[in-house]
Amino acid sequence: QKEVEQNSGPLSVPEGAIASLNCTYSDRGSQSFFWYRQYSGKSPELIMSIYSNGDKEDGRFTAQLNKASQYVSLLIRDSQPSDSATYLCAVNDPGNTGKLIFGQGTTLQVKP
Amino acid sequence: EPEVTQTPSHQVTQMGQEVILRCVPISNHLYFYWYRQILGQKVEFLVSFYNNEISEKSEIFDDQFSVERPDGSNFTLKIRSTKLEDSAMYFCASSEGLATREQYFGPGTRLTVT
Repeated sequence: QKEVEQNSGPLSVPEGAIASLNCTYSDRGSQSFFWYRQYSGKSPELIMSIYSNGDKEDGRFTAQLNKASQYVSLLIRDSQPSDSATYLCAVNDPGNTGKLIFGQGTTLQVKP
Repeated sequence: EPEVTQTPSHQVTQMGQEVILRCVPISNHLYFYWYRQILGQKVEFLVSFYNNEISEKSEIFDDQFSVERPDGSNFTLKIRSTKLEDSAMYFCASSEGLATREQYFGPGTRLTVT
């Protein structure tokens, strides 16, 4: 069973702090990794993708990938109350059909 | 900015009835997907579709489910005989290609089976 694991939280950080969200995956063949943000009652919104080891930065967001450790993380700098949401880690199934396997999601609360 | 759209936003149906959920993927995308999310649970893959064929389907996607691209823009999910456990949010997603695997999700259809 291919798994993507996340701490469900909630992760609570004060406004302006760095939020660090983590994800591990079980299938070493996975090559594509995504972070989605999901507000309550809404659909997943793609915020970051990462395909190679290292860091990828986009504005206040940094995704980090370590394939050897099968670990993906998302850092949110200068967290804002509007960042309060559930963050979903998604990993491609290596079967080359585009199937994504999602984690349970980590709920982030940014307190003013 | 192009978006995936879905209709209806909410569908209520009685157990045993057929429902069709509709999606319009982003226009230059070639790969289409359906996912579902039962309240409080993970987003689960149902099916992927490319070149008018199913590429992969999950164990959830049994004989009660079917997908179709009836024209150049719509992508539909049909559930032939709904069950109570089919109640969930159903999300359509599309991607430009497999190499570009970024999938963009529509707003979802909330299906309630009574």
